[in-house]
Amino acid sequence: DTEVTQTPKHLVMGMTNKKSLKCEQHMGHRAMYWYKQKAKKPPELMFVYSYEKLSINESVPSRFSPECPNSSLLNLHLHALQPEDSALYLCASSPRPFTDTQYFGPGTRLTVL
Amino acid sequence: GDSVTQMEGPVTLSEEAFLTINCTYTATGYPSLFWYVQYPGEGLQLLLKATKADDKGSNKGFEATYRKETTSFHLEKGSVQVSDSAVYFCARAQGGSEKLVFGKGMKLTVNP
Repeated sequence: DTEVTQTPKHLVMGMTNKKSLKCEQHMGHRAMYWYKQKAKKPPELMFVYSYEKLSINESVPSRFSPECPNSSLLNLHLHALQPEDSALYLCASSPRPFTDTQYFGPGTRLTVL
Repeated sequence: GDSVTQMEGPVTLSEEAFLTINCTYTATGYPSLFWYVQYPGEGLQLLLKATKADDKGSNKGFEATYRKETTSFHLEKGSVQVSDSAVYFCARAQGGSEKLVFGKGMKLTVNP
């Protein structure tokens, strides 16, 4: 089973809302990732968790707050977003950190009004 | 720094045509190389990969060979189908980190 699940599939939020994106994998992978993808562009890395610890933060604004409660779960908390944050947010996981194959979830399509 | 350059398209082919999507990478070490496919409205799916020189990755009729001498990882398929319509991303692992470096992606449309 090489499945990464993400919820919700779609999310519409206002600039004053607080919401969370959820990602889950049960493959025993020890690295998890958040990416942002704008239309017609490749994914851009936001955060990496290795063994449940934040190992990479790509200078992402603080209105995005990641959390890794356990080795199977990754959350992205959203607060005071801007319309330009509207994008497809992709979660990925890999068996180990550092140059291993990444498996992506289907994404959450976020629209900020 | 590490980079990946691929054909950007968009490309439109007829069903059963031959497909080649060129991809070259900067030669910093010997990175693992990947092709990911993104179908409309979906996330990325790993299509194939190669981890060392002369390795050939293959899946669903697609093939790519890791060529160290030309720093290339071109994707090929002998006969495309309408269901292959998607965006294709070439990527390399960035040495010493967990990052993937993506090419810009190429949109392929296959007409019946």
